[in-house]
Amino acid sequence: NAGVTQTPKFQVLKTGQSMTLQCAQDMNHEYMSWYRQDPGMGLRLIHYSVGAGITDQGEVPNGYNVSRSTTEDFPLRLLSAAPSQTSVYFCASSLSGTRAYNEQFFGPGTRLTVL
Amino acid sequence: SQQGEEDPQALSIQEGENATMNCSYKTSINNLQWYRQNSGRGLVHLILIRSNEREKHSGRLRVTLDTSKKSSSLLITASRAADTASYFCATDGFFSGGYQKVTFGTGTKLQVIP
Repeated sequence: NAGVTQTPKFQVLKTGQSMTLQCAQDMNHEYMSWYRQDPGMGLRLIHYSVGAGITDQGEVPNGYNVSRSTTEDFPLRLLSAAPSQTSVYFCASSLSGTRAYNEQFFGPGTRLTVL
Repeated sequence: SQQGEEDPQALSIQEGENATMNCSYKTSINNLQWYRQNSGRGLVHLILIRSNEREKHSGRLRVTLDTSKKSSSLLITASRAADTASYFCATDGFFSGGYQKVTFGTGTKLQVIP
């Protein structure tokens, strides 16, 4: 199994540009999520999904869109990039979003810089 | 706002020494997890402790949980250079729809000097 994969690894955008960060998992996990990691802030949840066709907002959803058309893929769209979105983005998946315990499996991350 | 806060923010020790990291959280939990992040990588799950457990071991890791103080500690014994990483605690909760939410702390950066 490849686990959780993310592309690209690095990206530089100009303010106002849009782009999609890709995330895929091959473990048949129901639950997928996007986090951003900023220095001194830990990981903050952007959006999450508990299954195909079901998504919801996390703590910091503004400026981001998601969709979940298949179990495997969970892309994150930046609508109009801003310098405040410069961060490292992690996608994670776990078996179920409704059980009390779920170990999360993380992708390698995408380092995004917005100029 | 962050649910978990790790202490200290950074820790530097000699190889062979023990490393202790602490996590405090704000609201009641079902489970608390610890993750490790090597530089430039994603997080890797280390250990989970349930709210009705007080202590748990896994290899050189020992985790304690004190729900009355809303705190947990991670002890790494006989540290190795390969243990150099950032360590995060994560607590669970649920969104109003009943779906799981995992909230991470700000992390402790551990450096083990050979």
